[in-house]
Amino acid sequence: LAKTTQPISMDSYEGQEVNITCSHNNIATNDYITWYQQFPSQGPRFIIQGYKTKVTNEVASLFIPADRKSSTLSLPRVSLSDTAVYYCLVPYDYKLSFGAGTTVTVRA
Amino acid sequence: DAGVTQSPTHLIKTRGQHVTLRCSPISGHKSVSWYQQVLGQGPQFIFQYYEKEERGRGNFPDRFSARQFPNYSSELNVNALLLGDSALYLCASSVFRDRGRGYNSPLHFGNGTRLTVT
Repeated sequence: LAKTTQPISMDSYEGQEVNITCSHNNIATNDYITWYQQFPSQGPRFIIQGYKTKVTNEVASLFIPADRKSSTLSLPRVSLSDTAVYYCLVPYDYKLSFGAGTTVTVRA
Repeated sequence: DAGVTQSPTHLIKTRGQHVTLRCSPISGHKSVSWYQQVLGQGPQFIFQYYEKEERGRGNFPDRFSARQFPNYSSELNVNALLLGDSALYLCASSVFRDRGRGYNSPLHFGNGTRLTVT
């Protein structure tokens, strides 16, 4: 069973870079890795998606090594508003269940 | 453009009752999926529908059912409610092109329906 594993929580300070690594040892050949952000009482919000190497958009970067068994979400210069739960999602057998996610707390 | 809309936002039901939750996808999105999120956990996959057909089902009992309409909106039905069904129910829409790429399409979520079973 493809399963994602992330740290339960991470603490950071405003202006720092936050890197969250997700392991997905059984990722299938055709599957992408997608990251979401969720605030309390809201649905998850799409952040970034990638297949291999590096992807960057206006809010984050995603690093995926050649074996694709893990991925790292990088949030540059975080602010207090980046305090949220972050999930990596890898499809398995046409199911799209999220893991427990990583709670990132940004302090002033 | 409107995002994914869900109704109602909050609902209180009694054990044994039935509930219907509704979801309208983003215009142009043909796939809808449903999730259950219990406090402190990540969203758990219930169903995915595309073109009115079920394309994926999570590990939920038969009390849970869903359907998709010709306008791509969707309903989630839960029968014989249990206390453990209390959760935030999330709907997500996506552009689902084919079976291979569809499950990689980014999901766009609504803000959910908070169901409380007493």
